[in-house]
Amino acid sequence: QLQLQESGPGLVKPSETLSLTCTVSGGSISSSTIYYWGWIRQPPGKGLEWIGSFYYSGSTYYNPSLKSRVTISVDTSKNQFSLKLSSVTAADTAVYFCARHDRGVAAAFDFWGQGTLVTVSS
Amino acid sequence: QSVLTQPPSASGTPGQRVTISCSGSSSNIGRNYVYWYHHLPGTAPKLLIYRNNQRPSGVPDRFSGSKSGTSGSLAISGLRSEDEGHYYCAAWDDSLSGQVFGGGTKLTVL
Repeated sequence: QLQLQESGPGLVKPSETLSLTCTVSGGSISSSTIYYWGWIRQPPGKGLEWIGSFYYSGSTYYNPSLKSRVTISVDTSKNQFSLKLSSVTAADTAVYFCARHDRGVAAAFDFWGQGTLVTVSS
Repeated sequence: QSVLTQPPSASGTPGQRVTISCSGSSSNIGRNYVYWYHHLPGTAPKLLIYRNNQRPSGVPDRFSGSKSGTSGSLAISGLRSEDEGHYYCAAWDDSLSGQVFGGGTKLTVL
């Protein structure tokens, strides 16, 4: 069974860079030609917001509203992928999820991590 | 402000049938599949419906999805207490080249 687990600091200071890692187990990020992987977040009391998605060999898609601050990268040797969000403000406080797209970047997220809360505060 | 529009809340009694709507536009639902997720705080969201009306393995047939034009709909029949939680619709948006979500509907089983 595929499992995803987010990890990273739970507290980030304003103007700094938020960095999270998603570790994938039970399957390989680079083993299939159809799976994309992505990040989604949920601010407190609000709905889900897609951050960005990628394919292990290169294609990356970012939410236009976050694109200037977001970088998603992958380390296939560790079966992990990462999220960096720069110049954070309190508005970036959220639970951050990593997930897998089933069959292409436009497809549904069929496996999700449990999520990790990141608070932006001084 | 979410790209897809859902009612903020819905409710029903055990055994009832409830429907949750999701309104979009020609750039998202109008051209692409609708997905539905169930989410309980502190847990991983669960995929309920993909490709408008398909259920992943393990999702009961009490859950059904449909799409018409630029709107999607999730129906839950035989409502149970464990169905409580938040329901989100989603779709790919061709104009944004990204996934968009609805604001979520909180379902209460009375």
